[in-house]
Amino acid sequence: QQPVQSPQAVILREGEDAVINCSSSKALYSVHWYRQKHGEAPVFLMILLKGGEQKGHDKISASFNEKKQQSSLYLTASQLSYSGTYFCGTLNAGNMLTFGGGTRLMVKP
Amino acid sequence: DAGVTQSPTHLIKTRGQQVTLRCSPKSGHDTVSWYQQALGQGPQFIFQYYEEEERQRGNFPDRFSGHQFPNYSSELNVNALLLGDSALYLCASSYPGQVAGNTIYFGEGSWLTVV
Repeated sequence: QQPVQSPQAVILREGEDAVINCSSSKALYSVHWYRQKHGEAPVFLMILLKGGEQKGHDKISASFNEKKQQSSLYLTASQLSYSGTYFCGTLNAGNMLTFGGGTRLMVKP
Repeated sequence: DAGVTQSPTHLIKTRGQQVTLRCSPKSGHDTVSWYQQALGQGPQFIFQYYEEEERQRGNFPDRFSGHQFPNYSSELNVNALLLGDSALYLCASSYPGQVAGNTIYFGEGSWLTVV
């Protein structure tokens, strides 16, 4: 069963913040976040392993609440280059990555 | 350090034909997974190969088969192509061990169009 992402789409102005959520009905071992630009392959952003873990890369960070089986991706002071579709992937015990439906993010000048 | 490489990048096939897609994993990686991504959707797991054996399989028919070679490269074969098989096929590689913590890297994909 694939994780559920919300919102499905968001439009931002440069410099604004956004939060993308990912939730699963199954126990999670880890959460993987990817960004995919149109016509390109998904690019790895970060992986979260432990309950409550938070990570950051530049102005993109994420949290993982293992008990709630939820993860959130935070985009701060968005840039035009942040535009794309963001996918969360959840890993099961067998190393099978299941992706959510994606969140389409558009950053406008 | 070469990443995950896939070939061909684009191809067009006719319904009923067969297709073979190829993948070379990232250096140091020995696990290869294949995903199908239809337009506007997230990647869907097809199967995973490790030590030349299929280790896990998603909800795909037997028309989808694969192989892993001793050098860890892999092939995806699809027989009796249907229009609905048109999609981006992604290969991903990783290194087992602490499975949950392993980064999974994707290749640029093979765009398959079935007409």
